[in-house]
Amino acid sequence: NAGVTQTPKFQVLKTGQSMTLQCAQDMNHNSMYWYRQDPGMGLRLIYYSASEGTTDKGEVPNGYNVSRLNKREFSLRLESAAPSQTSVYFCASSFRDRGPTEAFFGQGTRLTVV
Amino acid sequence: AQSVSQHNHHVILSEAASLELGCNYSYGGTVNLFWYVQYPGQHLQLLLKYFSGDPLVKGIKGFEAEFIKSKFSFNLRKPSVQWSDTAEYFCAVKGEVGGSQGNLIFGKGTKLSVKP
Repeated sequence: NAGVTQTPKFQVLKTGQSMTLQCAQDMNHNSMYWYRQDPGMGLRLIYYSASEGTTDKGEVPNGYNVSRLNKREFSLRLESAAPSQTSVYFCASSFRDRGPTEAFFGQGTRLTVV
Repeated sequence: AQSVSQHNHHVILSEAASLELGCNYSYGGTVNLFWYVQYPGQHLQLLLKYFSGDPLVKGIKGFEAEFIKSKFSFNLRKPSVQWSDTAEYFCAVKGEVGGSQGNLIFGKGTKLSVKP
């Protein structure tokens, strides 16, 4: 079982460069999420997609865009990377956004912006 | 807005010691509660969850947690820790109403270091 797959696992960007983080899940989940993890800050929600065709901002959306390409895939784009976006990014999915369901996480993407 | 507080930033224990990690949340409605564990360099894995019913829930690897509604708490416990329990532990809550309904809100995490 692949679960939630993220690519790439590591990335170094120069300030101002753009990139897209890819995420795919094979569990037929409706809801998908992007979090960033910073030391001492826990995980903070960037964007989420409650269902295919919908996306909404989370706690820290500035500097990011997302696309729910289909039910399986949810990408996160940094249009102009900044050093403040150096972080570990986790994609997650759950059967649905509401109600008693748990989230499953990908392995993470460690992004460094220099 | 919902929030989750984990009171201990870093806990250091010797093997066989008992563990209790505190978690409090601020939300008055129906909640779903989770503890996730992140081993060094790995992704988050679910330790246990509470949705309803018996407030004492058991998870993997001998962990358990108790939901005390009156105290808005969901503390994680383990009677005897092992070196392999060294990891970061995150409490998370998912509320049922409000603008952020459906989204997991995480605490800042507690690092557990177990000395062999």
